[in-house]
Amino acid sequence: DQQVKQNSPSLSVQEGRISILNCDYTNSMFDYFLWYKKYPAEGPTFLISISSIKDKNEDGRFTVFLNKSAKHLSLHIVPSQPGDSAVYFCATHNNAGNMLTFGGGTRLMVKP
Amino acid sequence: DAGVTQSPTHLIKTRGQQVTLRCSPISGHKSVSWYQQVLGQGPQFIFQYYEKEERGRGNFPDRFSARQFPNYSSELNVNALLLGDSALYLCASSLRESNQPQHFGDGTRLSIL
Repeated sequence: DQQVKQNSPSLSVQEGRISILNCDYTNSMFDYFLWYKKYPAEGPTFLISISSIKDKNEDGRFTVFLNKSAKHLSLHIVPSQPGDSAVYFCATHNNAGNMLTFGGGTRLMVKP
Repeated sequence: DAGVTQSPTHLIKTRGQQVTLRCSPISGHKSVSWYQQVLGQGPQFIFQYYEKEERGRGNFPDRFSARQFPNYSSELNVNALLLGDSALYLCASSLRESNQPQHFGDGTRLSIL
C-alpha cells in the first residue's frame, strides 16, 4: 500500500502563474516532509521541507503547506518559470528518520 | 564542492549476472543510502549505512547487499540479476544518520537483457 500518494501524474501551467502540486499521506505518525525536484538524467534535488510543528514553510518562490488533519501537503511555486519544468516528488521520513518514502511524482510543465 | 558521485552511469547486464555499483558521498557526509527507481515511480529505499554499519533495510530480497568503506564510500551489489532489476539506482548522502535532507547523485541506469 502506498503511504505517500501524488494523485496527479502531470500538471501544465502557464509561465508566471501559480503551480500547485499536491501530496497525501496515510500515516499520522509521519512528522517531517520534503519536496524534491528531478530533471531527466539527474538525481533528485532537495527543494524544501516542513516539520509537523509548522503548517507553512517558505523559501523564495517555493512554499509548502501542511494540513495535518487532512494528511495533505502541497507545494506552491509562484511565479512559475519554464526552468521549473521537472518531476516533483514529495517524501517523508520514517520514525527513525533515516529512510525516505516517496510519492510517485508529478510532472510539471511550465509553458512560456 | 563535489556532490554525490556514482559510477558507472550506465550498465547493461544479462539475467543471472552480478553487478556492483559505486557511490562517493559529499565530503564530510557519513550516511549513505541506496534507492531503486523504476520508470514512472518514485525512488524506493534499499539500504542505509552510517559509520560503516547497516542502519536500515527496505523490502528487497537478499540478492541485494551493500557495504560502506572507512572513507564513507559505498557499494551496492546485486546477485542473480532479474529482468525486474532494470532501474535507476540512486545513492544519497547526508551529514548525520537521521532527520537530514538527503542529497542524491545522478544514479546508475541498469538495464537487464
